[in-house]
Amino acid sequence: AQKVTQAQTEISVVEKEDVTLDCVYETRDTTYYLFWYKQPPSGELVFLIRRNSFDEQNEISGRYSWNFQKSTSSFNFTITASQVVDSAVYFCALSEWDFGNEKLTFGTGTRLTIIP
Amino acid sequence: EAGVTQFPSHSVIEKGQTVTLRCDPISGHDNLYWYRRVMGKEIKFLLHFVKESKQDESGMPNNRFLAERTGGTYSTLKVQPAELEDSGVYFCASSPGRALYNEQFFGPGTRLTVL
Repeated sequence: AQKVTQAQTEISVVEKEDVTLDCVYETRDTTYYLFWYKQPPSGELVFLIRRNSFDEQNEISGRYSWNFQKSTSSFNFTITASQVVDSAVYFCALSEWDFGNEKLTFGTGTRLTIIP
Repeated sequence: EAGVTQFPSHSVIEKGQTVTLRCDPISGHDNLYWYRRVMGKEIKFLLHFVKESKQDESGMPNNRFLAERTGGTYSTLKVQPAELEDSGVYFCASSPGRALYNEQFFGPGTRLTVL
């Protein structure tokens, strides 16, 4: 069975600090995708990034960066110079390929609070 | 382009009553998914439609839950009769294709409270 673990339930940092959100996953599949979603106070889940299992290159998008390491089954997310608008719940998810069906397996989420 | 919409945004009902949640996917998206988040736990998959057909309903908790997608457009999720443990946030998502890597676009969710 697939599993995603986000051990950090809540994190608070002062604005402009860097913060890393951890994500550890379990899967028997060799082909899979990892995702990060952001849930702002408005409630919808906003897609941030998708990474496939064959691409271990780190990715940077503005203040956001992601570190994918298959050796440790981790897909961590770092926000540099955090801002108040980054306050949200962040979910890591894994997409499994199950007889042609696709569904996302989510972690429990990390609530990030940026203190002004 | 309109995103995924869900109605109602909140619903409070008593145990034993019936509630119907609605999801309107992004126009043209054949794939529609329902998920549920209970009590701050992980978001769990419920089922997946491809057009009007149920592709995967392995996550449906029991037969009190009935999902439909007539005509392959909007979808409804009916809970009858509702129990206390059904409380949570129900998310709907849609995607244009069935490939493994397709991004799923999520709606704002319906917060269901069963008293």
